[in-house]
Amino acid sequence: QKEVEQDPGPLSVPEGAIVSLNCTYSNSAFQYFMWYRQYSRKGPELLMYTYSSGNKEDGRFTAQVDKSSKYISLFIRDSQPSDSATYLCASGTYKYIFGTGTRLKVLA
Amino acid sequence: EAGVTQFPSHSVIEKGQTVTLRCDPISGHDNLYWYRRVMGKEIKFLLHFVKESKQDESGMPNNRFLAERTGGTYSTLKVQPAELEDSGVYFCASSHGELSGGYTFGSGTRLTVV
Repeated sequence: QKEVEQDPGPLSVPEGAIVSLNCTYSNSAFQYFMWYRQYSRKGPELLMYTYSSGNKEDGRFTAQVDKSSKYISLFIRDSQPSDSATYLCASGTYKYIFGTGTRLKVLA
Repeated sequence: EAGVTQFPSHSVIEKGQTVTLRCDPISGHDNLYWYRRVMGKEIKFLLHFVKESKQDESGMPNNRFLAERTGGTYSTLKVQPAELEDSGVYFCASSHGELSGGYTFGSGTRLTVV
C-alpha cells in the first residue's frame, strides 16, 4: 500500500465548476499536508499547506485535512481554464510523500 | 526574490556516462532537498541537506548517486555511471526552516539515459 494515494484522473470539468480533489494517507505521524500544482514541464508550485487537521482557505482554494479518516481534500471554486494542471497532494514531516497527481482540465 | 534554479533543464547521455546536475536554492534557505520522478511514478524523496550537512539520504537509490553541497550554498547531484533506469525528472527544492510547511521547487532537470 502506498503511503499517499491519489486518483490520477484525468478529471474534466466545465469552467465555473467546483472541483474536488482528494487523497488518502496511511501514516498517522504525518503532520504537514500540502497541495502542489504542476504545469507541464514545470516544477511543483506550492498552493496550500496545512498543519494537522482543519480547513484553510486562500481565495478560490480550500484545503481540508481530516486526520481521523486520513483524508486530504482540495476544493477549487469557480474553476478557470488556467487551473488546468496536475495537482499533487503531499504529506510528511520534513520530507514529503507525494501522491501520483491528478490531472485536471477545465473546459472553457 | 529569485526562485530555485536548476540546470541543465535537459540532459541526454549515454548509458555509462557521468552527469552532474546543479541546484541553486533560494538565498538564505538552509534546507535543500532533492527529489526525483521517474516515468509514471510519483515524485520521490532522495535526500535532504541542512547547510552543507546531509541530514537524510535514505532515498538515494544506490552508490552511483553522489550529492554535495559545498559551503552550504548550491548543490550538485552526480550520477556515475548512469543507467537507463536513472531517466526521469530531478527536482531540487529549498526551505528556510526544516518544518516550515511546504518548500519551493525548481523546474527540474529532465535526464534521459539512452
